[in-house]
Amino acid sequence: EAQVTQNPRYLITVTGKKLTVTCSQNMNHEYMSWYRQDPGLGLRQIYYSMNVEVTDKGDVPEGYKVSRKEKRNFPLILESPSPNQTSLYFCASSIAGYPDTQYFGPGTRLTVL
Amino acid sequence: AQSVSQHNHHVILSEAASLELGCNYSYGGTVNLFWYVQYPGQHLQLLLKYFSGDPLVKGIKGFEAEFIKSKFSFNLRKPSVQWSDTAEYFCAVNAPGSSASKIIFGSGTRLSIRP
Repeated sequence: EAQVTQNPRYLITVTGKKLTVTCSQNMNHEYMSWYRQDPGLGLRQIYYSMNVEVTDKGDVPEGYKVSRKEKRNFPLILESPSPNQTSLYFCASSIAGYPDTQYFGPGTRLTVL
Repeated sequence: AQSVSQHNHHVILSEAASLELGCNYSYGGTVNLFWYVQYPGQHLQLLLKYFSGDPLVKGIKGFEAEFIKSKFSFNLRKPSVQWSDTAEYFCAVNAPGSSASKIIFGSGTRLSIRP
């Protein structure tokens, strides 16, 4: 079954404690992306990756890092989380250049106290 | 820069009522347009898309949308809503070319259907 998985699904943490949210896809997609969803703001892109070892900033990259060492995985790293990063995070993947093939993960609800 | 506006933040309807959700985008060139749906507690799913051709596109679950280029609009419609349509709806735009994979989302419209 084609899918994008994220872990953890829920996370409560404290300010400054480094965390990683994992994202994995089994469709051999080149393009992967991270979004955050906030009420009234929709989804905003944090980072994206066109392929292995190729990553770039989206619209709201501050406070986040990513890596793409393997095609299937695209972890999101918060080195020093702050309360304004409390949000719902979605990972997505697609065939590069075919946005209509975009699959979304189930989401990770992060609370930073 | 591309942007998408959804002016209705929350729409409340009774079952069997007709639905129209507004979406306007700003971009001068060729665009691809999408509507996504997010049911409570679930991830986003593609409802329908417009790339080219007939400006009236039909999607899943009886939804349709009309692309009006002169108005930069891509409104979503359904003739008769059901309780199960309760969800959040996102309009989105993508520009072919250098950012061919990037999708810009609107802020979303929450649809509540009264049984």
